Amino acid sequence: DTGVSQDPRHKITKRGQNVTFRCDPISEHNRLYWYRQTLGQGPEFLTYFQNEAQLEKSRLLSDRFSAERPKGSFSTLEIQRTEQGDSAMYLCASSFFSQETQYFGPGTRLLVL
Amino acid sequence: RKEVEQDPGPFNVPEGATVAFNCTYSNSASQSFFWYRQDCRKEPKLLMSVYSSGNEDGRFTAQLNRASQYISLLIRDSKLSDSATYLCVVRNLQGQNFVFGPGTRLSVLP
Repeated sequence: DTGVSQDPRHKITKRGQNVTFRCDPISEHNRLYWYRQTLGQGPEFLTYFQNEAQLEKSRLLSDRFSAERPKGSFSTLEIQRTEQGDSAMYLCASSFFSQETQYFGPGTRLLVL
Repeated sequence: RKEVEQDPGPFNVPEGATVAFNCTYSNSASQSFFWYRQDCRKEPKLLMSVYSSGNEDGRFTAQLNRASQYISLLIRDSKLSDSATYLCVVRNLQGQNFVFGPGTRLSVLP
């Protein structure tokens, strides 16, 4: 399968715990995006990378959220001290620089108890 | 006001019906426009880009009105398999991020 993959697909955690999600983009894609989606809403932009550089962060991304893409390939999104309001689907998407079509991964569904 | 707004839905239509979705955007600097489709509990997938002159892909027609900051999607001869949520997406020149609307859910009934 050469699509975008995300791991884990589901995560249940207790409030206050830290969680980390991984995204593996399509191999030749140099842009990688993270979104958060809650029920009944469209995906909300969190941050994006071009290669290893994090070029834009949403104001939605509080200090508890951090994302990395150290080698310009896979990316991780970490949430520290999780809160119940962090419960959502976290989607990763990738695209090639000169193209605007984004390809989404299946998402990681987070539930904070 | 949200940057991208869509018909609230849901739309319940019989097979074979024609259905139109509307979308408005508030940022006049928006440069690129798209319709994505999202099936229940699945990831969004690109349905079509929207060009200034309007464009058609089979049963799907997209229109853009920059002056009114309005985008539409028309589905003709709807099929059961068209049941999904349709997301309107815009991209601004200043930023590189994509802004998604809340989506409009369509149910095509037999």
